[in-house]
Amino acid sequence: AQRVTQPEKLLSVFKGAPVELKCNYSYSGSPELFWYVQYSRQRLQLLLRHISRESIKGFTADLNKGETSFHLKKPFAQEEDSAMYYCALLGYNKLIFGAGTRLAVHP
Amino acid sequence: DAGVTQSPTHLIKTRGQQVTLRCSPKSGHDTVSWYQQALGQGPQFIFQYYEEEERQRGNFPDRFSGHQFPNYSSELNVNALLLGDSALYLCASSFRQGNPTNEKLFFGSGTQLSVL
Repeated sequence: AQRVTQPEKLLSVFKGAPVELKCNYSYSGSPELFWYVQYSRQRLQLLLRHISRESIKGFTADLNKGETSFHLKKPFAQEEDSAMYYCALLGYNKLIFGAGTRLAVHP
Repeated sequence: DAGVTQSPTHLIKTRGQQVTLRCSPKSGHDTVSWYQQALGQGPQFIFQYYEEEERQRGNFPDRFSGHQFPNYSSELNVNALLLGDSALYLCASSFRQGNPTNEKLFFGSGTQLSVL
């Protein structure tokens, strides 16, 4: 069965600290993975996807097929990064979301 | 471009009633997906419409049905409402053009449904 697991409901860090939001997936095929973000009072929006191998707002994510993970990382957190982050898997033409992790960056 | 628009923004119904939610996709998009987001959970895939047909379906009962119109707008219908149907219903559009892996979704703000 396809599944996305985000083990942390809340991640609280101070400004300038490194951030790693964890995401593990279960999928028998070759997955496409995404990170979506929802800032306060805004819509859910795409942050990045693994096929693009891009860095958006300083965030990167590497697909590790051996560990079935797609963790989101940023070396120095900013207060404006505070938001809800969702990892998502495209499998069998369906986009499956994890439960999300709230990132709180304190000054 | 107004992006993805959903109506209504809030809705209150009682158990057993039926509800219709509406979605207009972002200009240029041809595919609409519906998600249910319960409090504290991630969005759960309900179904996807492309070329006026249901193309994919998640693990939701037949009480959940939909429709896509020639102008690409879509409706989500839920019959025989249960208390557990209370959730935020999100519509997302994308430009698929027959490519099912093009899943850069643009989300609407959602319809908050409360079933009493």
